[in-house]
Amino acid sequence: NAGVTQTPKFQVLKTGQSMTLQCAQDMNHNSMYWYRQDPGMGLRLIYYSASEGTTDKGEVPNGYNVSRLNKREFSLRLESAAPSQTSVYFCASSANRVYEQYFGPGTRLTVT
Amino acid sequence: QQQVKQSPQSLIVQKGGISIINCAYENTAFDYFPWYQQFPGKGPALLIAIRPDVSEKKEGRFTISFNKSAKQFSLHIMDSQPGDSATYFCAASGGTGGFKTIFGAGTRLFVKA
Repeated sequence: NAGVTQTPKFQVLKTGQSMTLQCAQDMNHNSMYWYRQDPGMGLRLIYYSASEGTTDKGEVPNGYNVSRLNKREFSLRLESAAPSQTSVYFCASSANRVYEQYFGPGTRLTVT
Repeated sequence: QQQVKQSPQSLIVQKGGISIINCAYENTAFDYFPWYQQFPGKGPALLIAIRPDVSEKKEGRFTISFNKSAKQFSLHIMDSQPGDSATYFCAASGGTGGFKTIFGAGTRLFVKA
């Protein structure tokens, strides 16, 4: 039981490049989330998926897209990376009608 | 309306002392108030949570105090230990936001041995 896994752990991109961050959970959770963490700003919600087949914007969705591939997997795509997207990205999941979220280990992304 | 304000930004406590972190929220529709603990290089993990129908919840050395009328809640860590050194986030969920969680900015706690 791995919980929430994320790949890659680290990534360096040049401005304008694209990439997809992968997230998978093996807890049969319905809801999945993508956050970014920046110093002094806590965790800010980028997108979330309340259940398979649905996605919604969070606080800071600009510059990102998401795909809920199936119940287990939720990916985050940067189409044209910008230095302002340098951050640590966390994926999380939660069971239906339960608020507790389980977080992955994070992806540290640097955009130069 | 959706903000959660957390203080202090950082905290240094002697081993055996009490660590206190405070949070304030605005949206009275929130109905779940968790605290997450994060160690360097790791994702946050749920530490303890409370719902607004109780004023206090205790789990071991960790206690949440909740003041619904003041829209404030706090985390108390009794007998603080060096292993408690981490970043702590308060958060709020529920109401019209559903399962979306709003996090505070975080408090870096350092417990001196």
